[in-house]
Amino acid sequence: GQQVMQIPQYQHVQEGEDFTTYCNSSTTLSNIQWYKQRPGGHPVFLIQLVKSGEVKKQKRLTFQFGEAKKNSSLHITATQTTDVGTYFCAGSYNNNDMRFGAGTRLTVKP
Amino acid sequence: DSGVTQTPKHLITATGQRVTLRCSPRSGDLSVYWYQQSLDQGLQFLIQYYNGEERAKGNILERFSAQQFPDLHSELNLSSLELGDSALYFCASSFASGISTGELFFGEGSRLTVL
Repeated sequence: GQQVMQIPQYQHVQEGEDFTTYCNSSTTLSNIQWYKQRPGGHPVFLIQLVKSGEVKKQKRLTFQFGEAKKNSSLHITATQTTDVGTYFCAGSYNNNDMRFGAGTRLTVKP
Repeated sequence: DSGVTQTPKHLITATGQRVTLRCSPRSGDLSVYWYQQSLDQGLQFLIQYYNGEERAKGNILERFSAQQFPDLHSELNLSSLELGDSALYFCASSFASGISTGELFFGEGSRLTVL
């Protein structure tokens, strides 16, 4: 069945290093959303990408949606300890089918 | 604060028992979604209600059921509980009927422990 694969599962970085998580689907997505879940917290919406090749930035976070709308990435520049958490992508195949990736857990060493 | 309220925050019960989790959506939101998150796992979609009616169904077990009431709050009923049902159950809400048409606002979750 349709599913969204997300890698890596874990990423440990030194503060100041960059971080990237990737999501891939075998079939075309209508859009993709990204969420962040802090340890012990609940998922919080970050952004939604809809257009092919779309790139959006939020301060140190850069989100990309692939040209074929089958993959997406979240890149964090110069990580900070406040970036710690699990980042989930959620890909939509139609209006009523959105699948979350397994998440990438980011830890940052000060 | 997302505006979504879930109760109880924590629940400990025994195998074979039945529990009810409650969710009040954000003011004005018509859709309620239920997700299950097992330890260090992703978010498994269970079910969605929109304005009182079931809208979409995910990997929800037959032992589980849900409903949305006229005041738009929702309840998730889990019965014949098994050890493997121990998880964090999130409720989320949105204004739209389609799950992918806008951001989901998640509650803080109900942590269920089955002993």
